[in-house]
Amino acid sequence: EVQLVESGGDLVQPGGSLRLSCAASGFSFDSHWMSWVRQAPVKGLEWVANIKQDGSERNYVDSVKGRFTISRDNTEESLYLEMTSLRVDDTAVYYCARDLGYNYGASLPFDHWGQGTLVTVSS
Amino acid sequence: EVVLTQSPATLALSPGERATLSCRASQSIASYLSWFQQKPGQAPRLLIYDASSRATGIPARFSGSGSGTDFTLTINSLEPEDFAVYYCQQRGEWPLYTFGRGTKLEIK
Repeated sequence: EVQLVESGGDLVQPGGSLRLSCAASGFSFDSHWMSWVRQAPVKGLEWVANIKQDGSERNYVDSVKGRFTISRDNTEESLYLEMTSLRVDDTAVYYCARDLGYNYGASLPFDHWGQGTLVTVSS
Repeated sequence: EVVLTQSPATLALSPGERATLSCRASQSIASYLSWFQQKPGQAPRLLIYDASSRATGIPARFSGSGSGTDFTLTINSLEPEDFAVYYCQQRGEWPLYTFGRGTKLEIK
Protein backbone atom coordinates (compact mmCIF):
# COMPACT_ATOMS: atom_id res chain seq x y z
CA GLU A 1 0.00 0.00 0.00
CA VAL A 2 1.34 3.41 -0.98
CA GLN A 3 1.74 5.71 2.01
CA LEU A 4 2.92 9.29 2.26
CA VAL A 5 3.21 10.80 5.72
CA GLU A 6 4.07 14.47 6.17
CA SER A 7 5.46 16.03 9.33
CA GLY A 8 7.12 19.21 10.51
CA GLY A 9 4.26 21.69 10.31
CA ASP A 10 4.20 24.28 13.07
CA LEU A 11 3.45 27.84 14.08
CA VAL A 12 6.30 30.13 13.01
CA GLN A 13 6.81 33.89 12.98
CA PRO A 14 7.06 35.88 9.76
CA GLY A 15 10.63 35.72 8.47
CA GLY A 16 11.21 32.37 10.14
CA SER A 17 12.16 28.99 8.74
CA LEU A 18 10.73 25.50 8.81
CA ARG A 19 11.55 22.11 7.33
CA LEU A 20 8.81 19.74 6.23
CA SER A 21 9.34 16.02 5.74
CA CYS A 22 7.41 13.37 3.87
CA ALA A 23 8.07 9.69 4.54
CA ALA A 24 7.18 7.43 1.62
CA SER A 25 6.53 3.70 1.59
CA GLY A 26 4.83 1.02 -0.47
CA PHE A 27 6.23 2.02 -3.87
CA SER A 28 9.48 2.55 -5.71
CA PHE A 29 10.31 6.01 -4.39
CA ASP A 30 13.38 6.52 -6.57
CA SER A 31 11.33 5.88 -9.72
CA HIS A 32 9.07 8.88 -9.24
CA TRP A 33 9.21 12.62 -9.36
CA MET A 34 7.75 13.99 -6.13
CA SER A 35 5.77 17.18 -5.54
CA TRP A 36 4.62 19.49 -2.77
CA VAL A 37 1.17 21.07 -3.05
CA ARG A 38 -0.30 23.55 -0.57
CA GLN A 39 -3.76 24.75 0.34
CA ALA A 40 -4.32 27.98 2.24
CA PRO A 41 -7.29 28.05 4.64
CA VAL A 42 -10.58 27.92 2.75
CA LYS A 43 -8.67 28.31 -0.51
CA GLY A 44 -7.80 26.19 -3.50
CA LEU A 45 -4.82 24.00 -4.30
CA GLU A 46 -1.48 25.44 -5.34
CA TRP A 47 1.37 23.34 -6.72
CA VAL A 48 4.56 24.45 -4.96
CA ALA A 49 7.54 22.44 -6.19
CA ASN A 50 8.72 19.14 -7.58
CA ILE A 51 11.95 17.18 -7.86
CA LYS A 52 13.23 14.60 -10.32
CA GLN A 53 13.93 11.00 -9.37
CA ASP A 54 17.66 11.57 -8.83
CA GLY A 55 17.31 15.11 -7.48
CA SER A 56 19.04 16.63 -10.51
CA GLU A 57 16.10 18.86 -11.45
CA ARG A 58 13.90 20.98 -9.21
CA ASN A 59 11.06 23.30 -10.15
CA TYR A 60 9.13 25.89 -8.15
CA VAL A 61 6.09 28.13 -8.40
CA ASP A 62 7.21 31.73 -8.76
CA SER A 63 5.91 32.80 -5.33
CA VAL A 64 8.39 30.55 -3.47
CA LYS A 65 11.46 30.75 -5.71
CA GLY A 66 14.54 31.74 -3.75
CA ARG A 67 12.82 31.00 -0.40
CA PHE A 68 11.89 27.30 -0.55
CA THR A 69 14.12 24.34 -1.40
CA ILE A 70 12.84 20.89 -2.26
CA SER A 71 15.11 17.91 -1.71
CA ARG A 72 14.95 14.15 -1.33
CA ASP A 73 16.85 11.24 0.17
CA ASN A 74 16.22 8.10 -1.84
CA THR A 75 17.97 5.84 0.67
CA GLU A 76 15.61 7.10 3.38
CA GLU A 77 12.66 7.30 0.94
CA SER A 78 11.94 10.80 2.15
CA LEU A 79 11.01 14.12 0.60
CA TYR A 80 11.73 17.48 2.19
CA LEU A 81 10.74 21.12 1.84
CA GLU A 82 13.03 23.68 3.42
CA MET A 83 11.13 26.95 3.85
CA THR A 84 12.85 30.23 4.72
CA SER A 85 11.76 33.88 4.87
CA LEU A 86 8.26 32.67 5.61
CA ARG A 87 5.38 35.07 5.03
CA VAL A 88 1.84 35.17 6.37
CA ASP A 89 0.55 34.12 2.96
CA ASP A 90 2.58 30.88 3.18
CA THR A 91 0.09 29.70 5.80
CA ALA A 92 -1.41 26.50 4.44
CA VAL A 93 -1.73 22.76 4.69
CA TYR A 94 1.22 21.29 2.79
CA TYR A 95 0.73 17.98 1.01
CA CYS A 96 3.33 15.78 -0.56
CA ALA A 97 2.21 13.83 -3.60
CA ARG A 98 3.61 11.21 -5.90
CA ASP A 99 4.37 12.77 -9.25
CA LEU A 100 5.32 11.29 -12.63
CA GLY A 101 6.98 7.88 -12.63
CA TYR A 102 9.02 5.96 -15.19
CA ASN A 103 6.09 3.66 -15.96
CA TYR A 104 3.25 6.00 -16.90
CA GLY A 105 -0.05 4.19 -16.55
CA ALA A 106 1.16 1.84 -13.86
CA SER A 107 1.32 4.96 -11.73
CA LEU A 108 -0.04 8.40 -12.47
CA PRO A 109 0.94 11.90 -11.40
CA PHE A 110 -0.84 12.83 -8.16
CA ASP A 111 -2.51 9.46 -7.74
CA HIS A 112 -1.33 9.36 -4.12
CA TRP A 113 -1.23 12.15 -1.54
CA GLY A 114 -0.32 12.42 2.12
CA GLN A 115 -2.73 13.70 4.73
CA GLY A 116 -1.02 17.09 4.92
CA THR A 117 0.80 19.09 7.56
CA LEU A 118 -0.26 22.57 8.70
CA VAL A 119 2.11 25.49 8.54
CA THR A 120 0.93 28.67 10.24
CA VAL A 121 2.91 31.87 9.81
CA SER A 122 1.83 34.47 12.32
CA SER A 123 3.25 36.85 14.90
CA GLU B 1 2.03 30.23 -17.18
CA VAL B 2 -1.13 28.36 -18.08
CA VAL B 3 -4.15 29.71 -16.21
CA LEU B 4 -7.10 27.40 -15.65
CA THR B 5 -10.55 28.95 -15.23
CA GLN B 6 -13.22 26.75 -13.68
CA SER B 7 -16.94 27.42 -13.91
CA PRO B 8 -19.27 27.70 -12.25
CA ALA B 9 -17.70 28.51 -8.88
CA THR B 10 -20.64 26.82 -7.15
CA LEU B 11 -23.16 24.36 -8.54
CA ALA B 12 -26.27 23.36 -6.60
CA LEU B 13 -27.94 20.14 -7.70
CA SER B 14 -29.99 17.31 -6.25
CA PRO B 15 -29.01 13.65 -5.94
CA GLY B 16 -29.81 11.81 -9.15
CA GLU B 17 -29.17 14.84 -11.37
CA ARG B 18 -26.27 15.28 -13.79
CA ALA B 19 -23.43 17.68 -13.02
CA THR B 20 -21.41 19.40 -15.73
CA LEU B 21 -18.24 21.22 -14.63
CA SER B 22 -16.08 23.27 -16.96
CA CYS B 23 -12.35 24.03 -17.04
CA ARG B 24 -10.84 26.38 -19.62
CA ALA B 25 -7.10 26.77 -20.20
CA SER B 26 -5.49 30.05 -21.24
CA GLN B 27 -3.55 28.22 -23.96
CA SER B 28 -3.64 24.78 -25.52
CA ILE B 29 -2.60 21.96 -23.22
CA ALA B 30 -3.53 19.11 -25.60
CA SER B 31 -5.11 16.47 -23.33
CA TYR B 32 -2.85 17.04 -20.34
CA LEU B 33 -5.63 17.71 -17.87
CA SER B 34 -6.63 15.96 -14.67
CA TRP B 35 -9.62 16.30 -12.37
CA PHE B 36 -9.55 15.90 -8.59
CA GLN B 37 -12.24 15.62 -5.94
CA GLN B 38 -11.70 17.00 -2.45
CA LYS B 39 -13.92 16.57 0.59
CA PRO B 40 -13.55 18.61 3.79
CA GLY B 41 -10.56 17.59 5.86
CA GLN B 42 -9.29 15.18 3.21
CA ALA B 43 -6.53 15.18 0.64
CA PRO B 44 -7.55 15.51 -3.02
CA ARG B 45 -8.36 12.33 -4.93
CA LEU B 46 -7.46 11.80 -8.57
CA LEU B 47 -10.56 11.12 -10.66
CA ILE B 48 -9.63 11.69 -14.31
CA TYR B 49 -6.26 11.95 -16.07
CA ASP B 50 -5.36 12.80 -19.66
CA ALA B 51 -8.73 14.57 -19.96
CA SER B 52 -10.85 11.44 -20.28
CA SER B 53 -9.28 8.42 -18.55
CA ARG B 54 -10.70 7.34 -15.21
CA ALA B 55 -8.22 6.62 -12.44
CA THR B 56 -8.28 3.28 -10.64
CA GLY B 57 -11.43 2.68 -8.64
CA ILE B 58 -13.34 5.70 -9.93
CA PRO B 59 -17.00 4.93 -10.69
CA ALA B 60 -18.20 5.01 -14.28
CA ARG B 61 -20.60 7.88 -13.52
CA PHE B 62 -17.55 10.17 -13.65
CA SER B 63 -16.40 11.06 -17.15
CA GLY B 64 -14.11 13.65 -18.65
CA SER B 65 -13.90 15.15 -22.12
CA GLY B 66 -12.18 17.87 -24.08
CA SER B 67 -8.83 18.80 -25.53
CA GLY B 68 -6.90 21.94 -26.34
CA THR B 69 -8.39 24.62 -24.11
CA ASP B 70 -11.88 23.42 -23.15
CA PHE B 71 -12.56 20.53 -20.81
CA THR B 72 -15.59 19.10 -19.04
CA LEU B 73 -16.13 16.82 -16.08
CA THR B 74 -19.53 15.14 -16.10
CA ILE B 75 -21.01 13.29 -13.16
CA ASN B 76 -24.09 11.29 -14.08
CA SER B 77 -26.78 10.51 -11.52
CA LEU B 78 -25.24 12.27 -8.54
CA GLU B 79 -24.75 10.23 -5.37
CA PRO B 80 -24.74 11.88 -1.92
CA GLU B 81 -20.99 11.25 -1.61
CA ASP B 82 -20.28 13.22 -4.81
CA PHE B 83 -20.94 16.59 -3.20
CA ALA B 84 -17.48 18.05 -2.80
CA VAL B 85 -15.06 20.50 -4.40
CA TYR B 86 -13.62 19.62 -7.81
CA TYR B 87 -10.34 20.92 -9.19
CA CYS B 88 -8.80 20.68 -12.62
CA GLN B 89 -5.01 20.58 -13.04
CA GLN B 90 -2.86 20.91 -16.11
CA ARG B 91 0.50 19.36 -16.92
CA GLY B 92 0.77 20.85 -20.41
CA GLU B 93 3.73 22.82 -19.13
CA TRP B 94 5.23 19.83 -17.31
CA PRO B 95 7.24 19.71 -15.09
CA LEU B 96 5.29 22.77 -13.97
CA TYR B 97 1.66 22.37 -12.89
CA THR B 98 -1.25 24.67 -12.18
CA PHE B 99 -4.65 24.07 -10.64
CA GLY B 100 -7.96 25.77 -11.29
CA ARG B 101 -9.68 27.56 -8.42
CA GLY B 102 -12.27 24.82 -8.00
CA THR B 103 -16.00 24.24 -8.35
CA LYS B 104 -18.01 23.50 -5.24
CA LEU B 105 -20.77 21.01 -5.91
CA GLU B 106 -23.40 21.38 -3.22
CA ILE B 107 -26.73 19.79 -2.46
CA LYS B 108 -29.75 21.76 -3.62
